[in-house]
Amino acid sequence: KQEVTQIPAALSVPEGENLVLNCSFTDSAIYNLQWFRQDPGKGLTSLLLIQSSQREQTSGRLNASLDKSSGRSTLYIAASQPGDSATYLCAVRIGGGTSYGKLTFGQGTILTVHP
Amino acid sequence: KAGVTQTPRYLIKTRGQQVTLSCSPISGHRSVSWYQQTPGQGLQFLFEYFSETQRNKGNFPGRFSGRQFSNSRSEMNVSTLELGDSALYLCASSLLGGQGGTEAFFGQGTRLTVV
Repeated sequence: KQEVTQIPAALSVPEGENLVLNCSFTDSAIYNLQWFRQDPGKGLTSLLLIQSSQREQTSGRLNASLDKSSGRSTLYIAASQPGDSATYLCAVRIGGGTSYGKLTFGQGTILTVHP
Repeated sequence: KAGVTQTPRYLIKTRGQQVTLSCSPISGHRSVSWYQQTPGQGLQFLFEYFSETQRNKGNFPGRFSGRQFSNSRSEMNVSTLELGDSALYLCASSLLGGQGGTEAFFGQGTRLTVV
């Protein structure tokens, strides 16, 4: 059974800092890994998608890496801003069959960036 | 291009009643998945539909059911509501679901409160 763990559970940083969020998963047979952001009471916004054959993806100030063999991914946020405050979730999609359409999520990291 | 649309955004129901939630995926997407999000359990997979067929189901009681129409719109139904069904229900749309590394896009969710 795939399990996803995110560390830390919460993080509070001053504006301008570079930070790293961690995600680990137990079953390395994944199709892809996706990072999401969730604002309070809202839906999930997709940030980055990394296919199993890729090592990293970048979008603006965000960079996500994937090490499938060790079951780890990191989300790097450069020059953090108060608007980055949200819950960050990672989710993995494993193979077909009984796993169709299913993403397995971590519990999230609550990020607070203070001015 | 319109995103994933969920209606209604908020619902208040009484124990024992039933409820139907609706999800319209991104145009062209054939896979729709449903998730329940609660503070204690996080995001949990309910089921996935692809081309009007349920391909996968999570570990929820039979009171939770769904369907998908020929235009890919999906509905989720919960019968005999319990207090523990209070949650944010999220719908995700993707091009192919479990086949290949397709990206999932989420709606804003329906907040269900059972009193």
